[in-house]
Amino acid sequence: DVKVTQSSRYLVKRTGEKVFLECVQDMDHENMFWYRQDPGLGLRLIYFSYDVKMKEKGDIPEGYSVSREKKERFSLILESASTNQTSMYLCASILGGGPEAFFGQGTRLTVV
Amino acid sequence: SQQGEEDPQALSIQEGENATMNCSYKTSINNLQWYRQNSGRGLVHLILIRSNEREKHRGRLRVTLDTSKKSSSLLITASRAADTASYFCATDERQAGTALIFGKGTTLSVSS
Repeated sequence: DVKVTQSSRYLVKRTGEKVFLECVQDMDHENMFWYRQDPGLGLRLIYFSYDVKMKEKGDIPEGYSVSREKKERFSLILESASTNQTSMYLCASILGGGPEAFFGQGTRLTVV
Repeated sequence: SQQGEEDPQALSIQEGENATMNCSYKTSINNLQWYRQNSGRGLVHLILIRSNEREKHRGRLRVTLDTSKKSSSLLITASRAADTASYFCATDERQAGTALIFGKGTTLSVSS
């Protein structure tokens, strides 16, 4: 069975902390994505990666960075967490030819 | 850029009724997908329709695509309480390759 695993379901961090959200997929997919989901705004693309060490900015990259050192792992980094980054974060992966995306269970991050 | 916009934002129906959700998008696409999200969880792929297709069925799901109007609809027939969820359309902006762009979603509530 296809699996995308996010390291935490719930996370509470303090303002100014550096936060790492980890995502691992076991399907050998080339493409991986980070979205954030907020009420009334739907899913917004933060960053995506189509290969190891490659990354592309999505629609809302400000305040975030990513790392993809290995094909199966895509990390989202909040350099200095702020309260407006409180959100649900969703990781997804897609096989190279696409198009179906497989999602992790989501990480609900609260920044206090 | 938000590609898909679902309509309505929320829909409440009784079990056994049909539910119709609509999605409009802005740019040319290769395909359009519909996803379902149970409360607080990740998204699950439901069905895909390619740009050269007009209609597709999968069980109780029927999807139509009108590329001239840049719109799609998802019909769930004979709804069940278990269909209660949020539904999102997703498109691949041709310029962005396999990056999926999601709409804001329709929240469906089916009461028994």
